[in-house]
Amino acid sequence: GDSVTQMEGPVTLSEEAFLTINCTYTATGYPSLFWYVQYPGEGLQLLLKATKADDKGSNKGFEATYRKETTSFHLEKGSVQVSDSAVYFCALSGAGGTSYGKLTFGQGTILTVHP
Amino acid sequence: NAGVTQTPKFQVLKTGQSMTLQCAQDMNHNSMYWYRQDPGMGLRLIYYSASEGTTDKGEVPNGYNVSRLNKREFSLRLESAAPSQTSVYFCASSVRLASSYNEQFFGPGTRLTVL
Repeated sequence: GDSVTQMEGPVTLSEEAFLTINCTYTATGYPSLFWYVQYPGEGLQLLLKATKADDKGSNKGFEATYRKETTSFHLEKGSVQVSDSAVYFCALSGAGGTSYGKLTFGQGTILTVHP
Repeated sequence: NAGVTQTPKFQVLKTGQSMTLQCAQDMNHNSMYWYRQDPGMGLRLIYYSASEGTTDKGEVPNGYNVSRLNKREFSLRLESAAPSQTSVYFCASSVRLASSYNEQFFGPGTRLTVL
């Protein structure tokens, strides 16, 4: 079945540092890929998405590129802020069979940014 | 426009007690979902409803039942709570299931503890 693997966390950075959170996936066909963010005490919010190979999703300074050859969708930000402290989830939406349209999530990566 | 709302926000149960978690959305979405979130495991799909009048099992349905009361409301019931059901429960909705662009919108969550 479909699966998503995120880099082990937690990740701790200083303000203005560069962020990378790795995400790789296993799926049949051509899934859509997502990054969701969960701020403390809140539900998940969509951060960005990409629906086909080589698409780049971007939002709030975050970027991720859909790489089919490496089955990856790594999240990056050039300069993090304290307000970026949250849990980040990589997810895919299945493209075929019983997984069609359903979201499969990675385990989440806790990011803490210090001033 | 409240989006997805969930009640209650917190609940403590004793083993064997029953309860119903309520979820409502005001975005006229066709599809609704229930997830549980456990540390280090991301979100796992319990049940979903592709459209009003239909419900289907997700990845971890045992011990739960659901009701799609109408297009807006989707409830999750624990008939006999067990400590293993201690978790944070999220409801989500999307325009429709049958799309690989399945962006889901999440509620704020219900934190359930079973003693």
